[in-house]
Amino acid sequence: DAKTTQPTSMDCAEGRAANLPCNHSTISGNEYVYWYRQIHSQGPQYIIHGLKNNETNEMASLIITEDRKSSTLILPHATLRDTAVYYCIVRPYGGATNKLIFGTGTLLAVQP
Amino acid sequence: EAEVAQSPRYKITEKSQAVAFWCDPISGHATLYWYRQILGQGPELLVQFQDESVVDDSQLPKDRFSAERLKGVDSTLKIQPAELGDSAMYLCASSPGAERDTDTQYFGPGTRLTVL
Repeated sequence: DAKTTQPTSMDCAEGRAANLPCNHSTISGNEYVYWYRQIHSQGPQYIIHGLKNNETNEMASLIITEDRKSSTLILPHATLRDTAVYYCIVRPYGGATNKLIFGTGTLLAVQP
Repeated sequence: EAEVAQSPRYKITEKSQAVAFWCDPISGHATLYWYRQILGQGPELLVQFQDESVVDDSQLPKDRFSAERLKGVDSTLKIQPAELGDSAMYLCASSPGAERDTDTQYFGPGTRLTVL
């Protein structure tokens, strides 16, 4: 079972910031938080990941609370092409098996 | 930018027939994964390879599914015989190496299988 909880769906106006929340209250000290998105009929696309500190790349920012029990993915200026299902996944580092356990994710609909 | 390649993109077959999917991972990636995604759900791991060895195939229905990665590069997933319930998207992913602390997986475009 997925170890994260996300809202089923969210709307965002084009050009505004999209803030996608994720709860992972049972996260362990050796687990990273990963975010992927999946545009309709395509393979999942890696966005960003983090352990403790906030992270930023060209696609998004990841804010992790100090207790690590929740996080927020921020798309600073959402466009129509950002409409997708966003998956928040916790995964341990190291070890032989690195499978990603996907939940049902959040369907983000960017409105014009 | 390097990408995971998969073929075919779409496959329609009749039940009881055999089907095969091919995946070419990002060059240099030691770990290769096959996931299955049923409509409306998230992907689920079927099998994971480290080089040419199977690391995890606990969710692979071994009575009808087989996977191989003979030279530790590209991989083939086969279903024989196909059943109606196998209709799904089959996704291949690769990562640099499972032994690394952060081992990000990159996905291919998938193969959409429809079994009639």
